[in-house]
Amino acid sequence: KQEVTQIPAALSVPEGENLVLNCSFTDSAIYNLQWFRQDPGKGLTSLLLIQSSQREQTSGRLNASLDKSSGRSTLYIAASQPGDSATYLCAVSGVDSSYKLIFGSGTRLLVRP
Amino acid sequence: NAGVTQTPKFRVLKTGQSMTLLCAQDMNHEYMYWYRQDPGMGLRLIHYSVGEGTTAKGEVPDGYNVSRLKKQNFLLGLESAAPSQTSVYFCASSLQGGGYTFGSGTRLTVV
Repeated sequence: KQEVTQIPAALSVPEGENLVLNCSFTDSAIYNLQWFRQDPGKGLTSLLLIQSSQREQTSGRLNASLDKSSGRSTLYIAASQPGDSATYLCAVSGVDSSYKLIFGSGTRLLVRP
Repeated sequence: NAGVTQTPKFRVLKTGQSMTLLCAQDMNHEYMYWYRQDPGMGLRLIHYSVGEGTTAKGEVPDGYNVSRLKKQNFLLGLESAAPSQTSVYFCASSLQGGGYTFGSGTRLTVV
């Protein structure tokens, strides 16, 4: 059974700092891995999607890497801003035909002005 | 606007009552999913559908039923609500393995 773990559970950093969020998964047979952002009381917003054949994806100040063989992904946020404060969720989809996502419990990020 | 719409946004039920949550998408996605999110936890899959007329159980299906009579709609039913079903429910749709879009959620409280 696929399990997804995110470390740390919470993180508080001063504005301007570069930071890394970690995600690990137990079964390397994945179709893709996605990072989402969730603001309090809101739905999920897709940030980055990495296909299993890819090593990384970038969007603006965000960079996500994937090491499928070791079951790890990292989300790198450069020059953090208070507006980046949110919960970040990592999710993987398996190689069956359902493409259902298995989520980690998230990292709650606070960027202090 | 294209996207996933969930109805209702908030609901309070008494134990034993029934209700249906509606999810509608206008992106012609084949795949649709119902998740629940509890405090401090990620999302857990309740049921999903890989196309019109199909449904399947996810990780936590007990106490819920679903139907996908039309491609654009995915209904989640609670036959006899229990306090353990107090949660935030999210619907999502996707293309084949990518392009996930989530609804804004339904906050359900069972008293």
